[in-house]
Amino acid sequence: NAGVTQTPKFRILKIGQSMTLQCTQDMNHNYMYWYRQDPGMGLKLIYYSVGAGITDKGEVPNGYNVSRSTTEDFPLRLELAAPSQTSVYFCASSSPGTSHGSNQPQHFGDGTRLSIL
Amino acid sequence: GDSVTQMEGPVTLSEEAFLTINCTYTATGYPSLFWYVQYPGEGLQLLLKATKADDKGSNKGFEATYRKETTSFHLEKGSVQVSDSAVYFCALSGWGKLQFGAGTQVVVTP
Repeated sequence: NAGVTQTPKFRILKIGQSMTLQCTQDMNHNYMYWYRQDPGMGLKLIYYSVGAGITDKGEVPNGYNVSRSTTEDFPLRLELAAPSQTSVYFCASSSPGTSHGSNQPQHFGDGTRLSIL
Repeated sequence: GDSVTQMEGPVTLSEEAFLTINCTYTATGYPSLFWYVQYPGEGLQLLLKATKADDKGSNKGFEATYRKETTSFHLEKGSVQVSDSAVYFCALSGWGKLQFGAGTQVVVTP
């Protein structure tokens, strides 16, 4: 019963490098999300997806890209890493539920701690 | 837009003390409300939820009541344990997206 799995758990990048943070879920959830967590700031939504082939921007999308080719996978891409992207990244998923998914809890992965130097 | 405000931490308590974490929200419509807990080095876990006014969510001795008249969803526990040390996040959900508060760190000492 894996739930939401994120890889890698830790990564150090140099400025200007690119990388992809992987996220996969085995709960057949339609909705998937990427957040970043900065100290004392709570979680900010980067991108989300309501189903395969559909993605949309969240609160802080600049510098990131996503794709959703399957229900299970929702990778997050950093093209040109910048120090401001040093953060902990969380992927989450949920089922649609009723009222556009508003009453369904999100299930979180354990996070990827990313440092950009 | 929608927003969540929760009390700043850290909150330091002795074991068996009473815990309250205040949470108020601003939202259009009728959001669902959640409390999530984050233990060190882990992702967030759902602690409890309430989907309409006057609903009470409860889990593991924690409770919170959805108060529409005061736009609040305060978290309470009558007797905390060391194992309750964590960061607690209040959140509201509308249209499938969550809006989180900044989180409140709780430290319980023996």
